[in-house]
Amino acid sequence: GAVVSQHPSRVICKSGTSVKIECRSLDFQATTMFWYRQFPKKSLMLMATSNEGSKATYEQGVEKDKFLINHASLTLSTLTVTSAHPEDSSFYICSARQGNNSPLHFGNGTRLTVT
Amino acid sequence: AQTVTQSQPEMSVQEAETVTLSCTYDTSESNYYLFWYKQPPSRQMILVIRQEAYKQQNATENRFSVNFQKAAKSFSLKISDSQLGDTAMYFCAFMPQDGSGSRLTFGEGTQLTVNP
Repeated sequence: GAVVSQHPSRVICKSGTSVKIECRSLDFQATTMFWYRQFPKKSLMLMATSNEGSKATYEQGVEKDKFLINHASLTLSTLTVTSAHPEDSSFYICSARQGNNSPLHFGNGTRLTVT
Repeated sequence: AQTVTQSQPEMSVQEAETVTLSCTYDTSESNYYLFWYKQPPSRQMILVIRQEAYKQQNATENRFSVNFQKAAKSFSLKISDSQLGDTAMYFCAFMPQDGSGSRLTFGEGTQLTVNP
């Protein structure tokens, strides 16, 4: 079945630094990838939609200069949290699909802790 | 815009019994998909079941089945013969079938606990 790999699974960084999270589709080409943020015991909140070769589309209220998304190939999208602050601490999940209306496949998530 | 509502924040069931999780949604779309996802303590999102809105027949996957009422915009999940491994957060989700983005809208989730 389709596998989405997300790395790292956990990361701790200091305030003011940047951290990059990778999302890879291992056995299919993902035309679109999605980045979500999830607070404890809460639902997934869509942050942005990433299409290969074009700029990401951000949801209202999500700072595009803070959460940089790059989808440079059909198998890799990255989310970079720039100048991280403790309030950025959260669980970040990516998902990917092969084409329109194809099922979404989720990565295992990344727990970010900013100290 | 679509909304998905799960009115049961928490539910519990005894092992081997049946439980039903509720979900309602609101949309002006005529063609769409509905999903139930499971998120166990590992936090991995696992697709449980999928329903196409144009299909009248309710989807089933082994012990999991849905009751899809399109007119009422209701999409409940029934878990039969509950197992301890079914303990997880369950999310109902909506996706329009417009091919423009396949954005999923999630409900707030229902934490299901299966007791031995």
